[in-house]
Amino acid sequence: KQEVTQIPAALSVPEGENLVLNCSFTDSAIYNLQWFRQDPGKGLTSLLLIQSSQREQTSGRLNASLDKSSGRSTLYIAASQPGDSATYLCASQTSGSRLTFGEGTQLTVNP
Amino acid sequence: DAMVIQNPRYQVTQFGKPVTLSCSQTLNHNVMYWYQQKSSQAPKLLFHYYDKDFNNEADTPDNFQSRRPNTSFCFLDIRSPGLGDAAMYLCATSRDWGGNEQYFGPGTRLTVT
Repeated sequence: KQEVTQIPAALSVPEGENLVLNCSFTDSAIYNLQWFRQDPGKGLTSLLLIQSSQREQTSGRLNASLDKSSGRSTLYIAASQPGDSATYLCASQTSGSRLTFGEGTQLTVNP
Repeated sequence: DAMVIQNPRYQVTQFGKPVTLSCSQTLNHNVMYWYQQKSSQAPKLLFHYYDKDFNNEADTPDNFQSRRPNTSFCFLDIRSPGLGDAAMYLCATSRDWGGNEQYFGPGTRLTVT
């Protein structure tokens, strides 16, 4: 059974700092790895999806990498802004289309 | 513009009173999913439909049922809500089964009093 872990559970940084969020998974037989953003009390917004054959994906200030062999993914946020404050969830897709989520990293960017 | 729509956004029900949550999609996707997310926890898959084929996760309580009358709509029925069923319920769709990106709706926050 796939297990997904995210470290740290919470992170507080000053505005402008570059930061890295970590995601690890136990079963490397994944279709893809997806990063989501969740604002308090809201649904999930997809940020980046990395297919199993890819090493990384970029969108604006976000860069996600995938290392299947070690069971790790990272989300890099450049020049963080207060508007980036949210919970970031990673999810691996295995066994058909099932998404297994981590419990998220709660990010606070202080002005 | 909205692709996956959930209604209502907030639902309050009484202990034991049946409740139905609604999801619709404009993407014409074959697969629709329901996830449950309790406070500060990871979303958990309850079940999914591939077209009209229903697939229940092994640990989904019998209290939860689902209907998909057509491609666009999917409903989550909670027959006798308990306090432990208070959660955010997320609907998602994907074009097909197996490695396709999932698109999520805004969620329905369910409160049980």
